[in-house]
Amino acid sequence: GESVGLHLPTLSVQEGDNSIINCAYSNSASDYFIWYKQESGKGPQFIIDIRSNMDKRQGQRVTVLLNKTVKHLSLQIAATQPGDSAVYFCAENQGAQKLVFGQGTRLTINP
Amino acid sequence: DTGVSQNPRHKITKRGQNVTFRCDPISEHNRLYWYRQTLGQGPEFLTYFQNEAQLEKSRLLSDRFSAERPKGSFSTLEIQRTEQGDSAMYLCASSTTGGGYTFGSGTRLTVV
Repeated sequence: GESVGLHLPTLSVQEGDNSIINCAYSNSASDYFIWYKQESGKGPQFIIDIRSNMDKRQGQRVTVLLNKTVKHLSLQIAATQPGDSAVYFCAENQGAQKLVFGQGTRLTINP
Repeated sequence: DTGVSQNPRHKITKRGQNVTFRCDPISEHNRLYWYRQTLGQGPEFLTYFQNEAQLEKSRLLSDRFSAERPKGSFSTLEIQRTEQGDSAMYLCASSTTGGGYTFGSGTRLTVV
């Protein structure tokens, strides 16, 4: 069936560098995407979302890019900090706000 | 309001026993969702309620699973005759219609 997946399971970056986390989706009819951050022992925390009528959306230190042509989503985190260490999931809205999550990317920050 | 609350945080049970989890959503949220998350994977949708009505159930929700939201406020998820494969984190989330999710911290179930 349709699914949302991620290119890389782990990402390691230097503190202060920018991080880019990627996600591929397969349901071309999807019109709403969300990025979540999940720290150990906690539930997913909303970071940023984007609708399919947009290509880019910016938040505080985060930017989400959507390329509908290749069905690709990315999350950019500027000036990565130790507190950004977590697992990041992209999720796709599939009707009635039901979300389909990808596998996740673990982001680790090197001092 | 302190967000979505789930109890217990951890549950260890023997195979074959029944377990029940509770979720208290954000009070003004009319939608409530249950997800299951296994280690290293993203959450998987189980079911959701709009007020007290259960509107959708995943095929993952076998007949050993039952969820209720009797008064449109808190919800319970019961697993009967637990199996080792039921070991997972069970996440609850709530939202308004058309609004974003707020997740709870989950209940981690270990079946031994």
